[in-house]
Amino acid sequence: QQQVKQSPQSLIVQKGGISIINCAYENTAFDYFPWYQQFPGKGPALLIAIRPDVSEKKEGRFTISFNKSAKQFSLHIMDSQPGDSATYFCAGTYSGGGADGLTFGKGTHLIIQP
Amino acid sequence: NAGVMQNPRHLVRRRGQEARLRCSPMKGHSHVYWYRQLPEEGLKFMVYLQKENIIDESGMPKERFSAEFPKEGPSILRIQQVVRGDSAAYFCASSVTGARYGYTFGSGTRLTVV
Repeated sequence: QQQVKQSPQSLIVQKGGISIINCAYENTAFDYFPWYQQFPGKGPALLIAIRPDVSEKKEGRFTISFNKSAKQFSLHIMDSQPGDSATYFCAGTYSGGGADGLTFGKGTHLIIQP
Repeated sequence: NAGVMQNPRHLVRRRGQEARLRCSPMKGHSHVYWYRQLPEEGLKFMVYLQKENIIDESGMPKERFSAEFPKEGPSILRIQQVVRGDSAAYFCASSVTGARYGYTFGSGTRLTVV
């Protein structure tokens, strides 16, 4: 499977600040890019997703920015709150072919300091 | 409306024993995926199953690992002759129509090999 590179590995942000997590992908066949949020001891939960035909998608305080030419996308968390402290994973997938699985980045441990 | 149910939540096995991990998908979901998560690593796709069929097992180790999703009952991930390197969190996810619309993950089984 093609890689999805995610950075930073860990991030500390003050309450009320903006958290930014970046991802880059290699497989130009990817056409669906979800973000997952995982709390300790829990499974990942779908947070927000984007398709490459749009450059930005916003849901509440969470925004995905997508740059198709650079093969990069990022998650922005506005007005970050302590409850946002979790591990965030970006991912990519595509239709067709044999595999239907998602390719995940290695995750970002986000800590929001009160 | 129960989510994806995985059991056991924690499993301890001695080297050489067998581990059986169970996953009951959400009601109405016929697609099941297994992922492995190692510390400081992302989620690695292992296998994709539909009822009585393995659709894609490209992420499964060639030896000791097998998976099934019978007509009746949960999906089973079986690891024979476990080794310390098998220690990880194993997550099952299910979906209605495939990965493209996002998965619902279970809370995982944390396997420890001693």
